Amino acid sequence: AQSVTQPDIHITVSEGASLELRCNYSYGATPYLFWYVQSPGQGLQLLLKYFSGDTLVQGIKGFEAEFKRSQSSFNLRKPSVHWSDAAEYFCAVGGNTDKLIFGTGTRLQVFP
Amino acid sequence: EPEVTQTPSHQVTQMGQEVILRCVPISNHLYFYWYRQILGQKVEFLVSFYNNEISEKSEIFDDQFSVERPDGSNFTLKIRSTKLEDSAMYFCASTLTQGANYGYTFGSGTRLTVV
Repeated sequence: AQSVTQPDIHITVSEGASLELRCNYSYGATPYLFWYVQSPGQGLQLLLKYFSGDTLVQGIKGFEAEFKRSQSSFNLRKPSVHWSDAAEYFCAVGGNTDKLIFGTGTRLQVFP
Repeated sequence: EPEVTQTPSHQVTQMGQEVILRCVPISNHLYFYWYRQILGQKVEFLVSFYNNEISEKSEIFDDQFSVERPDGSNFTLKIRSTKLEDSAMYFCASTLTQGANYGYTFGSGTRLTVV
């Protein structure tokens, strides 16, 4: 079955610390992988996406993600978190079909 | 940067009432979608729409739901007789081409509360 797992429901980090949000997927075909961010009251903003090629993908706001096929993972990273990064982060997988399959999200809290 | 616009941002309705959620997709996009997110749960696909017909729908999208592109710019989701469990955030999205290739542009959502 196609699915996305984000094992961390809630993560708290200090401003300036590094961040890694985990994402594992199960998908029968070649996956297209995405990370979205949702700030309170806002829509879903695309951070980055992976289709093929270089397995390390750069996104907006200083985020990057690494696709590891052997581990079925697509973890999101940022070397130094800013207070404005506090939000909900969603990993999603899709393919050459219509829909995206989302994970349950990870809520990031940033302490000064 | 082009946006997907959704109105209203929050709607409260009584159980059994009909609601229409409205979306204005990006003007040159051809594929349109509705997703929903029940509080505390994952974002779920409801339906996709292309060339004035539904191209795919999920099990959630039963006979109580319908979609329409009434005038070439708006894209609506109608729930005929709302239930308490329809309370959720509903997201509209659009893409230029089919599939997940380019990522979707999502609207900011409509929070529907059924009381």
